[in-house]
Amino acid sequence: DTGVSQNPRHKITKRGQNVTFRCDPISEHNRLYWYRQTLGQGPEFLTYFQNEAQLEKSRLLSDRFSAERPKGSFSTLEIQRTEQGDSAMYLCASSLSGDNYGYTFGSGTRLTVV
Amino acid sequence: AQTVTQSQPEMSVQEAETVTLSCTYDTSESDYYLFWYKQPPSRQMILVIRQEAYKQQNATENRFSVNFQKAAKSFSLKISDSQLGDAAMYFCAYRSGSVKSSGDKLTFGTGTRLAVRP
Repeated sequence: DTGVSQNPRHKITKRGQNVTFRCDPISEHNRLYWYRQTLGQGPEFLTYFQNEAQLEKSRLLSDRFSAERPKGSFSTLEIQRTEQGDSAMYLCASSLSGDNYGYTFGSGTRLTVV
Repeated sequence: AQTVTQSQPEMSVQEAETVTLSCTYDTSESDYYLFWYKQPPSRQMILVIRQEAYKQQNATENRFSVNFQKAAKSFSLKISDSQLGDAAMYFCAYRSGSVKSSGDKLTFGTGTRLAVRP
């Protein structure tokens, strides 16, 4: 197991286009999280899953954002009709429920909307 | 809602010296966890150290230690014998001990960029 994997590493898209990111967590981890990090800021929580169930969504997650974890393994985060304000680093992390040792983060996907 | 404040946007330390990064937080909860994460230029966040609020003893991990002052809601990170590889962004983070109240999310500060001078 090589940790949490995120693809692509970088994505440049034109305003109005749809984009999808993928996250592959550590295989035995049942919890998966999405965070957004803008320049000069700490990561902000977007949503998290336990197995395939999406348990919490932040108000930051507008209607244009949707996340799925169809079989409780990998997850996708889709942004529809991208806006320049969506430009950020999107971080995925995973953990095992009941484990209080924090998350394991991926390297992130950097989105630039032009 | 919980908040985490890191008042030092940038810090610098001479190699082999000691540096302390500050973090304060605001919460009404008594059960929670505090973390320090390191984010090198490659951007992957790495857990440095964690502290359970119910433990009075300060956590230590090799050259990294914390000064946890629960009453003051302060959680500083001390890095001893600083190395060039310690250069990174450091984020302080809070997690509730009650999944029901705040879910399982981390609340991060805005980070401190640490430079290590050779």
